[in-house]
Amino acid sequence: AQSVTQLGSHVSVSEGALVLLRCNYSSSVPPYLFWYVQYPNQGLQLLLKYTTGATLVKGINGFEAEFKKSETSFHLTKPSAHMSDAAEYFCAVSDRGDSSYKLIFGSGTRLLVRP
Amino acid sequence: GAVVSQHPSWVICKSGTSVKIECRSLDFQATTMFWYRQFPKQSLMLMATSNEGSKATYEQGVEKDKFLINHASLTLSTLTVTSAHPEDSSFYICSARDLRQGTYNSPLHFGNGTRLTVT
Repeated sequence: AQSVTQLGSHVSVSEGALVLLRCNYSSSVPPYLFWYVQYPNQGLQLLLKYTTGATLVKGINGFEAEFKKSETSFHLTKPSAHMSDAAEYFCAVSDRGDSSYKLIFGSGTRLLVRP
Repeated sequence: GAVVSQHPSWVICKSGTSVKIECRSLDFQATTMFWYRQFPKQSLMLMATSNEGSKATYEQGVEKDKFLINHASLTLSTLTVTSAHPEDSSFYICSARDLRQGTYNSPLHFGNGTRLTVT
């Protein structure tokens, strides 16, 4: 079964510093890959996704992620953190062969931004 | 853009009662809606997939008789927690897929969630 691992339940950075949130998937066949952000007591907002094509994907709010097949990774980055980036971030995957198209989520990483 | 409305945003109920949560796609039609459950500071766990016009598909370990899912139309799915107990207290989130985007490339649109507290 497909699974996704997010290393680090908490990541703390200073405002203006680089943000790096890690995500690795388990399957030998690359799945569809997503990053979502969740603010307290809210649903999830899509930051970006990778389905095919260019491996460097740009999303909203200055975030981007790079799909690296050799490393089975899809790490999320942002060059300069802003206070408003503080939230919970979830990496998610979906099997390309799964007709239900359901998403499997990682355990999440809480991003803390220090002033 | 596509919007998913989830109602209520929070609800408190007494143990033994039932609670219904609605999930509506406001400006698109969704053949498939997904229901997730999220415990505090944890990830989202898929409970079931709701298909319009057919029975929901439940994930392993989810009691279908306790969590009743109905997908009445292309814009409405409901989750009813029957005979609720304190351990059912959680954050429930629905999501829907936008048919207009055709293939699987379409992302899921999420509701804002419902916080259920059972006393």
